[in-house]
Amino acid sequence: DVKVTQSSRYLVKRTGEKVFLECVQDMDHENMFWYRQDPGLGLRLIYFSYDVKMKEKGDIPEGYSVSREKKERFSLILESASTNQTSMYLCATRTVSDTQYFGPGTRLTVL
Amino acid sequence: SQQGEEDPQALSIQEGENATMNCSYKTSINNLQWYRQNSGRGLVHLILIRSNEREKHSGRLRVTLDTSKKSSSLLITASRAADTASYFCATGLLQGAQKLVFGQGTRLTINP
Repeated sequence: DVKVTQSSRYLVKRTGEKVFLECVQDMDHENMFWYRQDPGLGLRLIYFSYDVKMKEKGDIPEGYSVSREKKERFSLILESASTNQTSMYLCATRTVSDTQYFGPGTRLTVL
Repeated sequence: SQQGEEDPQALSIQEGENATMNCSYKTSINNLQWYRQNSGRGLVHLILIRSNEREKHSGRLRVTLDTSKKSSSLLITASRAADTASYFCATGLLQGAQKLVFGQGTRLTINP
């Protein structure tokens, strides 16, 4: 079974802090994704990566950056957290059949 | 604006009844997928239908795709309390097919 793990289920940070969200997969998938999910807005793509050290902006990249130094790990970075980044963050990988496997999510609260 | 829009936004039915959710989209697609999300958890893939397919089944799930109307439906037959969840459609576009564009979801509640 594909396993996608995220570093924290719940996280509370203060405005202005630098925040790291980590995602690790164990299936050697090339494509990895970061989404945020907000009520009434569904899932929105922040960034994705199609290979090590390769990244591409999604629909809402402002205020975020990513890092992919190893194939199995994809990190989302909030350079200076703001209250409007309070959200559920979901990591996913893409299989060869085009489906996506999701991690359990990190619920981030920025105070 | 969202590529996929689900209808209805919320649906409440009795256990044993069938549940139907609809999804409309705007641009041409490579495939359309349905996902399920239990409260506060990650999404789980249910079924994928490709643009050249019209209908697909998986257990109690039946998905149809009408590319001329740019719409899809998900039917869950003989619903169970455990089917209570949010259901999302996601479209894989012709260009940039690695990405999926998700709708806002339908919240399904099955009453025992």
